[in-house]
Amino acid sequence: DSGVTQTPKHLITATGQRVTLRCSPRSGDLSVYWYQQSLDQGLQFLIQYYNGEERAKGNILERFSAQQFPDLHSELNLSSLELGDSALYFCASSDVLAGLRTDTQYFGPGTRLTVL
Amino acid sequence: AQKITQTQPGMFVQEKEAVTLDCTYDTSDQSYGLFWYKQPSSGEMIFLIYQGSYDEQNATEGRYSLNFQKARKSANLVISASQLGDSAMYFCAMREGGGGFKTIFGAGTRLFVKA
Repeated sequence: DSGVTQTPKHLITATGQRVTLRCSPRSGDLSVYWYQQSLDQGLQFLIQYYNGEERAKGNILERFSAQQFPDLHSELNLSSLELGDSALYFCASSDVLAGLRTDTQYFGPGTRLTVL
Repeated sequence: AQKITQTQPGMFVQEKEAVTLDCTYDTSDQSYGLFWYKQPSSGEMIFLIYQGSYDEQNATEGRYSLNFQKARKSANLVISASQLGDSAMYFCAMREGGGGFKTIFGAGTRLFVKA
């Protein structure tokens, strides 16, 4: 158990809908990262937050947004869902200041999103 | 541009033998971090080992060691004394430096351990 929690574990929804994925980092970790893992795209970095502020952005679609709250939990919002958004969404957290390059990320169990 | 390449989509190894999973990377940064993660069929991503670009010694964590060859830009994972529970997908990853702290992952290698 990495200490990172994600809810829900599974989510099934329809095209055009909006969903929110939730992540609680390990105790004491200030950085939260979101990843998308799909069969055709592999593991893709979406976005990183550090202590409530966005620090890095990857291949995140405009239909997707995220935020990190004062209690350090994070939410990933996915809107106008398409079939291709079906994937495993991981949250990870790390305990090293964002200024260093060497922080190890510990992953949550993931949320499996199925868009029908 | 930053890139991670894992050229072995799948590999077989006999139980109790050692196996090497290949990873090459490309970056223009002098300071970077290299990671290996294991993803069993249950889906979670498990951190295995880390190597910093300035580390002179190869990293080791139990049965895992990282064969770091900086000049060749390779960071191969060596698993000694393979166990059935090592059957999983293995990902090599690199942490980008500079102003953005992205981590990119390779496509992964699926390891099958035979009894």
